[in-house]
Amino acid sequence: DAGVTQSPTHLIKTRGQQVTLRCSPKSGHDTVSWYQQALGQGPQFIFQYYEEEERQRGNFPDRFSGHQFPNYSSELNVNALLLGDSALYLCASSSRWTLIVRETQYFGPGTRLLVL
Amino acid sequence: KNEVEQSPQNLTAQEGEFITINCSYSVGISALHWLQQHPGGGIVSLFMLSSGKKKHGRLIATINIQEKHSSLHITASHPRDSAVYICAVSDRPYNTDKLIFGTGTRLQVFP
Repeated sequence: DAGVTQSPTHLIKTRGQQVTLRCSPKSGHDTVSWYQQALGQGPQFIFQYYEEEERQRGNFPDRFSGHQFPNYSSELNVNALLLGDSALYLCASSSRWTLIVRETQYFGPGTRLLVL
Repeated sequence: KNEVEQSPQNLTAQEGEFITINCSYSVGISALHWLQQHPGGGIVSLFMLSSGKKKHGRLIATINIQEKHSSLHITASHPRDSAVYICAVSDRPYNTDKLIFGTGTRLQVFP
């Protein structure tokens, strides 16, 4: 059973460009959350998707958008890249049908984005 | 002030030492998580707890809800325990909810 997978593993872009990151959740999970982790910092919540809609959002500008597909996989899009967007982008999956907290979220290996 | 604070930020130890990492939070929570992050980025969940104490192998996690404080202990530390340990909280009782993370404690265990 594959865990959470993310692609690509590394990415280099220049300021002003757009980027798309991808995440496939763990088998049986329907909810995907995205986090941004700057160097030396803890991850910051970007947004969460289930049933193909954005359900919660952190304090990130509209340049950050996402999508969830019927197979529960998800994309994170960032437009008009800034140098400060350089970070590790982590995807976490979980299941809404385990309503009471008993199972943790599972994290992918992350995509390391460098904006030059 | 961050909603989740960890101490110390950096920790070095000799193999075999007992290690304690502390986490304090200022928000109401339904669960507190301890996670481990190795170089390269992957995050692994170690514990999720809402009261009392949990133990897994050489790892022990405790939480005091009244004091809004949690500790992660590592007994008989080993170089392979070297990693960043992160405390995170969720404020609703659903496991899908967003996590609020601390900045992590970087642990290095030397032989």
